[in-house]
Amino acid sequence: GQNIDQPTEMTATEGAIVQINCTYQTSGFNGLFWYQQHAGEAPTFLSYNVLDGLEEKGRFSSFLSRSKGYSYLLLKELQMKDSASYLCAAPNQAGTALIFGKGTTLSVSS
Amino acid sequence: NAGVTQTPKFRILKIGQSMTLQCTQDMNHNYMYWYRQDPGMGLKLIYYSVGAGITDKGEVPNGYNVSRSTTEDFPLRLELAAPSQTSVYFCASTPDRANQPQHFGDGTRLSIL
Repeated sequence: GQNIDQPTEMTATEGAIVQINCTYQTSGFNGLFWYQQHAGEAPTFLSYNVLDGLEEKGRFSSFLSRSKGYSYLLLKELQMKDSASYLCAAPNQAGTALIFGKGTTLSVSS
Repeated sequence: NAGVTQTPKFRILKIGQSMTLQCTQDMNHNYMYWYRQDPGMGLKLIYYSVGAGITDKGEVPNGYNVSRSTTEDFPLRLELAAPSQTSVYFCASTPDRANQPQHFGDGTRLSIL
């Protein structure tokens, strides 16, 4: 089976750096996704990691360790608009659909 | 470029009523998905389709049905609405496999009273 775990809530202040962790257990591995979802809106794609290491994309970076079944999303220079839910997801064993974690709600305060 | 379009955006149903949530995409994507999202929870897969004429169950298919007669359309049907089906429903698509970024519709907010 598959299981994806991430913290429920996190808080941070403007300008800070925050790391959102995700651990996963999958039968076979076919990459790991991060999505951002603002309240009342649809999820939007942030990143996809299939190889170990850090991938940087502006203020957001995503890290993957396949041997540890672990990923994190790193958000730098936090802004108020970064307050959102961050969803970790991985393809199912058949590679036909995504399994999502419950999401981490990040609150950024001034 | 419309992307993934869901209708209606909001709906209130009475227990036992039926309805169809519409989803259409204009990107010629083969893979389409239906998710539900309850408050404070992640997305749970209801059904998915890898191409016209092919559908398969996800994690929470009970109480729902789907069809995929064309590449563009992937409607979700609730036959006998129950309060437990109150949720936000998202439709999504990818070109031809799951490990590609999903394109989401804006969602349908459904309340069953």
